[in-house]
Amino acid sequence: GQNIDQPTEMTATEGAIVQINCTYQTSGFNGLFWYQQHAGEAPTFLSYNVLDGLEEKGRFSSFLSRSKGYSYLLLKELQMKDSASYLCAVVRSNDYKLSFGAGTTVTVRA
Amino acid sequence: DGGITQSPKYLFRKEGQNVTLSCEQNLNHDAMYWYRQDPGQGLRLIYYSQIVNDFQKGDIAEGYSVSREKKESFPLTVTSAQKNPTAFYLCASSMVGRAIKLSGNTIYFGEGSWLTVV
Repeated sequence: GQNIDQPTEMTATEGAIVQINCTYQTSGFNGLFWYQQHAGEAPTFLSYNVLDGLEEKGRFSSFLSRSKGYSYLLLKELQMKDSASYLCAVVRSNDYKLSFGAGTTVTVRA
Repeated sequence: DGGITQSPKYLFRKEGQNVTLSCEQNLNHDAMYWYRQDPGQGLRLIYYSQIVNDFQKGDIAEGYSVSREKKESFPLTVTSAQKNPTAFYLCASSMVGRAIKLSGNTIYFGEGSWLTVV
């Protein structure tokens, strides 16, 4: 099976930085995704990591350590519109099972 | 344009009734997935399929059934055995194999379907 853990909630101030951690256990790792989701909508793709290291895309960065089963999503220069749920997802290599964590609700305060 | 289409957007089910949610994609994707999302929760995997005429149970398959007779289509039936079906349902499709390593944005989601028991 796949176990994916991430914090339930985080709160931060506008303009600040927030780091959302994700730990996972899976048989046959084939990549880790981060998605943003607003209530009642489909998730929106943020980043994908398959090799160790940091991937940077504007205000969002994602890091992966395969040996530790660990990833984080870094949100910089927080804006009010960044208030959303952030989902970590892992795909398994043998059967492409794609499993999601329970999501982290980020609230950005003025 | 290529994409993934879910229907209906809103669906009401009476007690003891089976209902089917449609999911169609024209992206030539091999893998397709169905997820259930309850308020304030993450996405839980119901069923997935990596190839035509084959599918696997996800983490919460009880009370649901699927078929994959065509590459483009992966309908989900919510049976009367599912005692608490009220939720938001999402269908997704993806490339598999080498293609998924080349670009991360390879998973496409439908717009979702809201199912309510009345």
